[in-house]
Amino acid sequence: SQKIEQNSEALNIQEGKTATLTCNYTNYSPAYLQWYRQDPGRGPVFLLLIRENEKEKRKERLKVTFDTTLKQSLFHITASQPADSATYLCVAVGGYGQNFVFGPGTRLSVLP
Amino acid sequence: KAGVTQTPRYLIKTRGQQVTLSCSPISGHRSVSWYQQTPGQGLQFLFEYFSETQRNKGNFPGRFSGRQFSNSRSEMNVSTLELGDSALYLCASSLGLEAATEAFFGQGTRLTVV
Repeated sequence: SQKIEQNSEALNIQEGKTATLTCNYTNYSPAYLQWYRQDPGRGPVFLLLIRENEKEKRKERLKVTFDTTLKQSLFHITASQPADSATYLCVAVGGYGQNFVFGPGTRLSVLP
Repeated sequence: KAGVTQTPRYLIKTRGQQVTLSCSPISGHRSVSWYQQTPGQGLQFLFEYFSETQRNKGNFPGRFSGRQFSNSRSEMNVSTLELGDSALYLCASSLGLEAATEAFFGQGTRLTVV
């Protein structure tokens, strides 16, 4: 079955460093990947989208890569801040429609 | 513009009962998807509606059903509730015209089955 894995359940980094989160998918060829942020008690909030024919996308301090050979996406937050502390979800979407397959999420803590 | 609105925010039901959750999407959005989120399973896709038709369906039993109205508002129904149905139910809306569009999530309905 389609499966999305995120390498760490939790990640602690020091303020100012770059956080790198990993998303791997198996039995799946998503047309694109999305990354969302979720704070406790709230719904996920969209951050970035990358299509299978794109290698890299950037938005302010965020960068996402998509490697279809490795079946992997990397999500980077540069110059991390304590306000970046949240759970980050990788989502794979394939084909037409909004059938999203979510990864389990990585809980990021940025320590001051 | 107003975001995705889910009602009610919290709900407590007894095993065997049924429940209906409501979702009002962002104005102009025609796709509404429903998800179940639990600590053990994460976010799992239930189904998606587009222009009043179910377009995609996840792997949930038939006790879980939904519908969408002509104004794109959607309802989700769970019958014969089980303890394991306790979860945060999230609704997301999008334009839905192509797969590569971001989804906007509501705050969710926290369902507790006792």
